[in-house]
Amino acid sequence: KAGVTQTPRYLIKTRGQQVTLSCSPISGHRSVSWYQQTPGQGLQFLFEYFSETQRNKGNFPGRFSGRQFSNSRSEMNVSTLELGDSALYLCASSSAGSHMNEQFFGPGTRLTVL
Amino acid sequence: QKEVEQDPGPLSVPEGAIVSLNCTYSNSAFQYFMWYRQYSRKGPELLMYTYSSGNKEDGRFTAQVDKSSKYISLFIRDSQPSDSATYLCAMSPRASKIIFGSGTRLSIRP
Repeated sequence: KAGVTQTPRYLIKTRGQQVTLSCSPISGHRSVSWYQQTPGQGLQFLFEYFSETQRNKGNFPGRFSGRQFSNSRSEMNVSTLELGDSALYLCASSSAGSHMNEQFFGPGTRLTVL
Repeated sequence: QKEVEQDPGPLSVPEGAIVSLNCTYSNSAFQYFMWYRQYSRKGPELLMYTYSSGNKEDGRFTAQVDKSSKYISLFIRDSQPSDSATYLCAMSPRASKIIFGSGTRLSIRP
């Protein structure tokens, strides 16, 4: 089975721009979660999508948004980028039927905001 | 105060040593406890998970949960250079939203 894929792997943007990141989950997984990882704050939960609906949300401003398509692929959008948005953005997929909801992570997208 | 506290390290030990990694937490509602390993330029991968208190062993790895002290540990026996990575503890009050520690960087010296 192919793992979680994320595109692009690296991205450089300037302040004020917007960015869209993409995540393809493991085949058959219907839940996709997004995380932001920075050296200072660690791994922080952004949101989770299940069957095209946002099921959980972390404590991030409205500039961060996401969506999920019918094939479970997910996109995350950040508008009006700030320097502090520079981070590794990780996507994780899981099988909704899993008792423990084990999450399988992709390699991440490294976003640099200049 | 963060919900989950983890010593960031770095921690450097010689090959073959026993490694002890720890996290403390404040939310008594946490029921699921996990350890993830993250190699450089990779996403985290699940190493072990436990439900509620107790010990769980998997090969060279042992996870311990003490809910009364709100303290969890991961022990690595006979550590290998390939164990060099960042180890993240994680916990959840239910099977959805997971709270991660900040991670401990571990280096095993040959």
